[in-house]
Amino acid sequence: NAGVTQTPKFQVLKTGQSMTLQCAQDMNHEYMSWYRQDPGMGLRLIHYSVGAGITDQGEVPNGYNVSRSTTEDFPLRLLSAAPSQTSVYFCASNPLQENTEAFFGQGTRLTVV
Amino acid sequence: SQKIEQNSEALNIQEGKTATLTCNYTNYSPAYLQWYRQDPGRGPVFLLLIRENEKEKRKERLKVTFDTTLKQSLFHITASQPADSATYLCALWGATGGGNKLTFGTGTQLKVEL
Repeated sequence: NAGVTQTPKFQVLKTGQSMTLQCAQDMNHEYMSWYRQDPGMGLRLIHYSVGAGITDQGEVPNGYNVSRSTTEDFPLRLLSAAPSQTSVYFCASNPLQENTEAFFGQGTRLTVV
Repeated sequence: SQKIEQNSEALNIQEGKTATLTCNYTNYSPAYLQWYRQDPGRGPVFLLLIRENEKEKRKERLKVTFDTTLKQSLFHITASQPADSATYLCALWGATGGGNKLTFGTGTQLKVEL
């Protein structure tokens, strides 16, 4: 059981480039989310989804797009990378109830130069 | 606005002592509160969940309390070991705007010294 898989693990981008961070889960969870983690800032929610075809913004959505065409996949797109998007990105999934734990991927460390 | 606050200063304790970490929240009425552990370079891992009608919950050397009047949860690790060194985060589901979101505190780093 793979759980939540994120790719790539590391990425360096030049300012202005676009890329997609991949996230896949094999637990049939309805809820998926993306966070970024910066020193001293904790985990901040970027976007989340409560099911295929449904997405919504989190705390820091600017500069990022998401889509949820299947239950399993929830890619995060950086449209035009900026140095301020240098961070560690985590994808998470869980069933859509408040009393359930979130399962996290191993993270993607992104550097924008 | 909704806030979850944890002590941003690292907590250093000696092996064998009890570590106590605090999570305070405002503008939430949570039915559940969660605690996670995060090691460097890895994603958070779920530890414990406590319900609003549970004053205390235990799991091996871990104990969590939940006081909805004070809007506070305490996380205790008894007989701490160097392997317990990590960052510990609390998390709450909150309904804001259009839907439910799982929001985390900033975490507290625990260092257990020999």
